[in-house]
Amino acid sequence: AQSVAQPEDQVNVAEGNPLTVKCTYSVSGNPYLFWYVQYPNRGLQFLLKYITGDNLVKGSYGFEAEFNKSQTSFHLKKPSALVSDSALYFCAVRPSLNFGNEKLTFGTGTRLTIIP
Amino acid sequence: NAGVTQTPKFRVLKTGQSMTLLCAQDMNHEYMYWYRQDPGMGLRLIHYSVGEGTTAKGEVPDGYNVSRLKKQNFLLGLESAAPSQTSVYFCASRRGRERSTDTQYFGPGTRLTVL
Repeated sequence: AQSVAQPEDQVNVAEGNPLTVKCTYSVSGNPYLFWYVQYPNRGLQFLLKYITGDNLVKGSYGFEAEFNKSQTSFHLKKPSALVSDSALYFCAVRPSLNFGNEKLTFGTGTRLTIIP
Repeated sequence: NAGVTQTPKFRVLKTGQSMTLLCAQDMNHEYMYWYRQDPGMGLRLIHYSVGEGTTAKGEVPDGYNVSRLKKQNFLLGLESAAPSQTSVYFCASRRGRERSTDTQYFGPGTRLTVL
C-alpha cells in the first residue's frame, strides 16, 4: 500500500525567509511525486512533480522540491517566502508502474502561514 | 477552456435525501476522479473512471455511486445521504495513458452538508 506523511500540520515562516514543507512517502517501486496547493475555498492547483531525472524539480511560483530516494522524501522549498504563499499544501504519490492502480495518494496537508 | 467545473457549489441535504453532483471537463481527458476532503484527512478517492462507460471503486466508495455515460461528464450520486457524508467534494481529471506521467486537474469543489 502506498502512503504519504506530512509531519507538520502547520508551518509558520517570516516573509523573506526560506521555507520548507516536508513530505515522506512509501510506495512499491519508483514513485511519481506531486505537490499541490489549495487556497481558501478553491480546488487544488498543481505546483510541480517528480517523474524521473534530476532530483531537484522546479515548479510554479518559485517553488522547488528535492527528491531523495534514500530518505524517501520530497520536501517542498522556496528561497524567499511571500505572504501570498500562505495556503494549504498537499504532497501526493503514485507508483510509476500502474498496472491498473490509478490511485494518487495524498498527505493530510500542511498549512503554511507567512508572517509579514 | 473552462477546465474542470462542478455543479452545484453548495448544497444542504436532510438525512435520507438523494442528490447528484456533476463534474464536467472540456479537456478531452480520459480519466476522471471523485475525492472527498475532510479536515485532517487530506483527500480520499471515492470512485474513478479510466474512460467513457467505465468506473471503479476508490478508497471510500460506500454510500456513493458514479456514472460516466459521456467522456466529458462524471456524475457522483448519493442515494440516501448521511451526516457522515458532510464534506467537500472535488472532481479531477487527467489526460491518461498507460503509465502516463500527466497530472490531475481539479475542479473548484462542492461543499455538501447533510443535516
